Amino acid sequence: ETGVTQTPRHLVMGMTNKKSLKCEQHLGHNAMYWYKQSAKKPLELMFVYSLEERVENNSVPSRFSPECPNSSHLFLHLHTLQPEDSALYLCASSHVGGDTEAFFGQGTRLTVV
Amino acid sequence: GENVEQHPSTLSVQEGDSAVIKCTYSDSASNYFPWYKQELGKRPQLIIDIRSNVGEKKDQRIAVTLNKTAKHFSLHITETQPEDSAVYFCAASIYGGSQGNLIFGKGTKLSVKP
Repeated sequence: ETGVTQTPRHLVMGMTNKKSLKCEQHLGHNAMYWYKQSAKKPLELMFVYSLEERVENNSVPSRFSPECPNSSHLFLHLHTLQPEDSALYLCASSHVGGDTEAFFGQGTRLTVV
Repeated sequence: GENVEQHPSTLSVQEGDSAVIKCTYSDSASNYFPWYKQELGKRPQLIIDIRSNVGEKKDQRIAVTLNKTAKHFSLHITETQPEDSAVYFCAASIYGGSQGNLIFGKGTKLSVKP
């Protein structure tokens, strides 16, 4: 176990549903990331939180809403998603300003129906 | 911002042969270059990394080289084995920076045939 835990592991949701993905890290890191992994774009950076502040938002649609209440927890709130949003969503964490190796969670496999 | 290009997208080699994956980056300020391996159904995991103050780093059968002038870096796997089959991602970031976010290449699917 790398110390980065994501829940749920699998999620099936309708296009009108609202759901949230959760990520928790126990590594004492101070930066957390959401990546989307699909066949089209193998590792696409979505959001970065550094010291609990959002520092990057790569033109992600507003139907994805991140939340970082503290340095150990990261959420991705989902609403009115589209079938093309089906993908593996990976959370990662690292140190800012130090060793920047990123540790990944197992991911949440999201299917939008 | 940083842009990382990775080639090839797929690579098939015979067991025992060498495999080379190449990446280029755009931001000359980047100084940390890790390589991740992702086996089927698993999370990406760091296998080797290099910082810009060195030109080469080795760890058993894997090595990474860095050319700062040309802004490219490569992963070399020698004596490949079937268990090396996976998707490999290169990445670039700024070590010691205020953000620390990694920008990844698109990945290379390596298949090692027994």
